[in-house]
Amino acid sequence: GEDVEQSLFLSVREGDSSVINCTYTDSSSTYLYWYKQEPGAGLQLLTYIFSNMDMKQDQRLTVLLNKKDKHLSLRIADTQTGDSAIYFCAEIPFSGGYQKVTFGTGTKLQVIP
Amino acid sequence: NAGVTQTPKFQVLKTGQSMTLQCAQDMNHNSMYWYRQDPGMGLRLIYYSASEGTTDKGEVPNGYNVSRLNKREFSLRLESAAPSQTSVYFCASLQVVGEQYFGPGTRLTVT
Repeated sequence: GEDVEQSLFLSVREGDSSVINCTYTDSSSTYLYWYKQEPGAGLQLLTYIFSNMDMKQDQRLTVLLNKKDKHLSLRIADTQTGDSAIYFCAEIPFSGGYQKVTFGTGTKLQVIP
Repeated sequence: NAGVTQTPKFQVLKTGQSMTLQCAQDMNHNSMYWYRQDPGMGLRLIYYSASEGTTDKGEVPNGYNVSRLNKREFSLRLESAAPSQTSVYFCASLQVVGEQYFGPGTRLTVT
C-alpha cells in the first residue's frame, strides 16, 4: 500500500533556505508532486518529478529524490514571507490507467521576517 | 479556460439536511476526485471517477454519494448531513499522466 509522510511544521527566517521532507512507500514507477496551499485557498501545483529522476530545479525550487530511501525533499532558496503556506507532497503510481493519488498530511511553513 | 470550478464556496447546514456540491472541469480530463481536508489530516479521498460513467470509493466514502454526470461534471451529495462532515471539500481533475488540478474548495459547516 501507499503511505506518504511529512513533518507537520517548519519555521525559517526570511532569506534562509527551507527544506521540506517527505517519505513515500510505493515501490513502482511513480510521479511525486509538491503542492502549495495558502490560507483559505485550494492547492497549487509547484512542481513534480518522475521516479527515474534524481533532481529537478525550477528557479528557487529544488526537488531531490532518494529512491533507495524513498525520500523526497523540496528546497526553497531565499525563502520569502510569501512562501508561508502548507506544502503537500503527493504520490501517483504510474499504472497506465487510473491514477490513485496519495497525499501527505502537509507541512506548515512559517517564515519569520 | 476556467480550470476546475466548485459551487458553492460556503455552506451551512443543519444536521439531517441534504445538499449537493457541484464540480466541473473544462480541460477534458478523464479522472475526477472529491477530497475532504481537515486540520492535521491532509487530504482524504472520498470518491473518485476514472472516467465518465464510473465511480469508486476512496478512503472515507461513508455518508456521501457521487454522480459523474458527464465528462465535465462530478457532484458530491450528502444525504443526511452530520457535524462530522464539517470540512473543506476539494474537487480535482487529472490528465492521464501529469498534473492534478484543484478547485477552490467548498467550506461546509454542519451544526
